[in-house]
Amino acid sequence: EIQMTQSPSSLSASVGDRVTITCRASQNIDRDVSWYQHKLGEAPILLIFGSSNLQSAVSPRFSGSGAGTVFTLTITSLQPEDSATYYCQHTYKTLLFGQGTRLHIK
Amino acid sequence: QITLRESGPTLVKPTQTISLTCTFSGFSLNTPRVGVGWIRQPPGKALEWLALIYWDDAKHYSPSLTSRLTITQDTAKNQVVLTMTNMDPADTATYFCAHFVITLIGVHFPRGYFDSWGQGTLVTVSS
Repeated sequence: EIQMTQSPSSLSASVGDRVTITCRASQNIDRDVSWYQHKLGEAPILLIFGSSNLQSAVSPRFSGSGAGTVFTLTITSLQPEDSATYYCQHTYKTLLFGQGTRLHIK
Repeated sequence: QITLRESGPTLVKPTQTISLTCTFSGFSLNTPRVGVGWIRQPPGKALEWLALIYWDDAKHYSPSLTSRLTITQDTAKNQVVLTMTNMDPADTATYFCAHFVITLIGVHFPRGYFDSWGQGTLVTVSS
């Protein structure tokens, strides 16, 4: 099973900052990574699919990049509503979510 | 607009079997390259994928839970049902269903992503 190691597990940043979350796959998974935002008590929201494709209606402050084994989600100009847990996910031979990154806005 | 809603028992006893229903609208499971999946989140833990069913009735299960899971569809009712046997307190979680978009077929496991999710239903396993 291809593992996804997501880092950091948590981070704290201020309004207006830029943050980057990383997922590392244990094997080459092409560009098969999606990113989700999840707030407690709500349905998760798809942000990015295919490594870098922005989902419709998602703010362009979110962007994704990467191929092979290293993938990143970048959020620019942080807003208070970005406080959430973020997950990467792949479907290469099976389906797996990363361990999540809890983002706290100061 | 795609919507999904999970329903089922909120409290079950250890060793019991549970069935969760996902009722959806805005799409048909007869449409090629579409699926519905189940994902859960134990309190304070990460999302965990459980099962997927596709437009052609093919199915995939989490390797760690495959012996306990069955996923079925009723296209006439626009429903997908997940059955999980031998429930344990460790199965206490919020269970989500989600619409799955397939981006690549012809491989062992279809590539894709979940673009719409239900709100989830909390299932507690306790005696």
